Parts: sequence; C-alpha cells; structure tokens
Amino acid sequence: DAGVIQSPRHEVTEMGQEVTLRCKPISGHDYLFWYRQTMMRGLELLIYFNNNVPIDDSGMPEDRFSAKMPNASFSTLKIQPSEPRDSAVYFCASSEISNTGELFFGEGSRLTVL
Amino acid sequence: GENVEQHPSTLSVQEGDSAVIKCTYSDSASNYFPWYKQELGKGPQLIIDIRSNVGEKKDQRIAVTLNKTAKHFSLHITETQPEDSAVYFCAADDQTGANNLFFGTGTRLTVIP
Repeated sequence: DAGVIQSPRHEVTEMGQEVTLRCKPISGHDYLFWYRQTMMRGLELLIYFNNNVPIDDSGMPEDRFSAKMPNASFSTLKIQPSEPRDSAVYFCASSEISNTGELFFGEGSRLTVL
Repeated sequence: GENVEQHPSTLSVQEGDSAVIKCTYSDSASNYFPWYKQELGKGPQLIIDIRSNVGEKKDQRIAVTLNKTAKHFSLHITETQPEDSAVYFCAADDQTGANNLFFGTGTRLTVIP
C-alpha cells in the first residue's frame, strides 16, 4: 500500500478564500483522523471518523472548519473562509484497529493563508 | 481532558551518546503511551509504544519506561546515530473523554556526528 496520501502538499491562499484539503487513507483502515500542527500548539486532533462516520469533532476550531468522509477511501477538510491564523500543517492519519491504535500519518498539507 | 507535558523541547547529543526524553500526563486512567518520530517534511511515525500493564519495553536501541504512580514515561535512545535526528512526540490516551490520543509538544533531537 502507498500509505496515507494527502493533497495538496502545499497551499498558499489569501484570507477569505476557501481551502479544501484531501486525504486517502490506507485501504482497510476503519479510522481516519485530521490533525493540525503548529509551533505554538503542537499536534491537535481536529476530528476523527470511524467507518466514515464522524465520532468526535470537538477539536474543530469553529464553524469555518468542516470535514467529510463520503466513502472509505476519501476524506476532505474544508476551511471557509480561511484566515491567517489557520496557517499550519494539516495531517491526515488512519488506523486499522482503533482510535488509540497505531496511527499512520500522511506527509501533511502545509497551508499558508496570507 | 488529558494533559501531556514533554521535556526537553530541544536536545543535542554527540553521536554514540544516549538521549532521554521525558513526558508526564495528567489522567491516571490513561493506559496507552506511544512515541512518534517526525522527520523533516514527513508525518509522524510510531517507533515504540507501551501499555500500562508493563513498566518497560525495549526495541533494539530504543526503550520506553513507564511509572504509573508518578504518571511519567520516558524514551531512551542508546548509541545515537545521525539518522536519529528528528522531532519526537510522546502521547497518552484520554480515558475520561472520547479516548483520543493527546500529544506532547515535541522534542527536537540533534545528533552531532
């Protein structure tokens, strides 16, 4: 398997624009996670899905953030409208066993909002 | 929720020396403690983990120790090599909430050849 695949790897956008980040988890993994990484706050869990169903979205910063998982092989994280403070690296991860099993991370999407 | 603190934030060692990174956690019910290694431009990768029914686990040059009474756990890397240079994250599960993983803030390890 190619591992968790994220796109785009880098995104530079202007404040107010919509941003969509994409993730393809490892086939057969039932859990999918979205994390945000910043220097100030480290790795923060935004939301996770189990069998395509959102289980815990308490980490989603505000209504400007939304995530979907329409099928077992695809998920999106959308920010609308984007703000400079959203600049961060966003990681998608998947896990086969549980939400505390081994997490397999993608290489991340570095977002810069000007 | 769980609060995981990690020290030091940066660590430099000479090649061949040992490196120790320490973490404390707040939830006494936590029972799963993984360590992840993040290389530049990559996502974190699990290198070792320990569950609360054991006090120590070793995998070649890497070992993790757990003290549940004191609520702290440590990563030990022996005979460090330049390729060990990376950012290391500890984590603990949160038994009081949705049983998610909470990560420490990371330790940037530099191994000087």
